[in-house]
Amino acid sequence: SQQGEEDPQALSIQEGENATMNCSYKTSINNLQWYRQNSGRGLVHLILIRSNEREKHSGRLRVTLDTSKKSSSLLITASRAADTASYFCARGTSGTYKYIFGTGTRLKVLA
Amino acid sequence: ETGVTQTPRHLVMGMTNKKSLKCEQHLGHNAMYWYKQSAKKPLELMFVYNFKEQTENNSVPSRFSPECPNSSHLFLHLHTLQPEDSALYLCASSQVGTGSTEAFFGQGTRLTVV
Repeated sequence: SQQGEEDPQALSIQEGENATMNCSYKTSINNLQWYRQNSGRGLVHLILIRSNEREKHSGRLRVTLDTSKKSSSLLITASRAADTASYFCARGTSGTYKYIFGTGTRLKVLA
Repeated sequence: ETGVTQTPRHLVMGMTNKKSLKCEQHLGHNAMYWYKQSAKKPLELMFVYNFKEQTENNSVPSRFSPECPNSSHLFLHLHTLQPEDSALYLCASSQVGTGSTEAFFGQGTRLTVV
């Protein structure tokens, strides 16, 4: 399968804690993107990290990329109940414009 | 509001019906996509259009028929669907150029086939 795999599949934490989600993929990438989906809604782009980057920050989000291990992680610091959603990684490959998504991590932040 | 609008938001149809899903993007993008999202499955890429030309058809059954009359509009025509086709259908758009950029998604159409 070309699809990425996120783990864990589900994560439940207390408000204020950090949440870490991981993504693994099998083929080479041009970039890796993280998206968020609230229940039954469309996906919203969070952050894009290019293959020549190792770490990127956006507000409370921190993304790392290890191309040698073909893996990425998304860290949400000081989580809030409003962060409850599903989070997906998507591979972007050069020469095509397909976005291949994984199965997602369902995050639940308890108030 | 992402700039990608899908209609209808919900659709219930019988297996013998014919219906169409509509997607419109106001972002000036040159690529549009249809994805299918079923419970506990990864998002499945169905079709990709780049500059109105279909560039991807991921072995989608012929009961799903896409149409892209211009770079701002994308349709998915449905006929003789099966109950297992019930899912959330998501439209997305992006600007294809040098390297990949982010995709913008619509809110989806929740389709139920009865």
